[in-house]
Amino acid sequence: EAGVTQFPSHSVIEKGQTVTLRCDPISGHDNLYWYRRVMGKEIKFLLHFVKESKQDESGMPNNRFLAERTGGTYSTLKVQPAELEDSGVYFCASSPGLATDTQYFGPGTRLTVL
Amino acid sequence: DQQVKQNSPSLSVQEGRISILNCDYTNSMFDYFLWYKKYPAEGPTFLISISSIKDKNEDGRFTVFLNKSAKHLSLHIVPSQPGDSAVYFCAASDYSGNTPLVFGKGTRLSVIA
Repeated sequence: EAGVTQFPSHSVIEKGQTVTLRCDPISGHDNLYWYRRVMGKEIKFLLHFVKESKQDESGMPNNRFLAERTGGTYSTLKVQPAELEDSGVYFCASSPGLATDTQYFGPGTRLTVL
Repeated sequence: DQQVKQNSPSLSVQEGRISILNCDYTNSMFDYFLWYKKYPAEGPTFLISISSIKDKNEDGRFTVFLNKSAKHLSLHIVPSQPGDSAVYFCAASDYSGNTPLVFGKGTRLSVIA
């Protein structure tokens, strides 16, 4: 069974540019989560999809971040325009249900904003 | 305001000895606690969890202890192996999973052969 995949693995962009991160969850997993880890800090929750609906987006930093999950399959996280403080590793996780111990994480996308 | 704190950024332990990783939390609403393990260039992997109705949960070499009154939990690894070298994250939530996971900053464990 394929795990959670994320693309790209690394992205280096300049301040003001746009970047789109993609996450493909484990097939059949209705729940999809986005997290971010700024270097040396904790992993922070960004938002949670149940199928194509946003269940909880309380962790989204501001309106420069837009997440979508069309059709309830893969998800994208767009940052527009990117700022220096957006640099970090963005993790996606998926789970079949809401039990927290069944969240499977992807390898992350390392975003560097110069 | 950090709700989950891992005050030791790093820990070095000799192979075969016990590794003890600590975690403190401040939010009394947390009733479910998890440990994740992370290797470089990989995502966190679930390791072990404990509900607040228990004070201990064991899975092979890994044991998690919970002290609710002190709002403290610890992960014990016995015996430690070089393959255990990784960053360990403590996380907390409510058991239903309806509230997001809150993570600590992580502790980097190095097991020396």
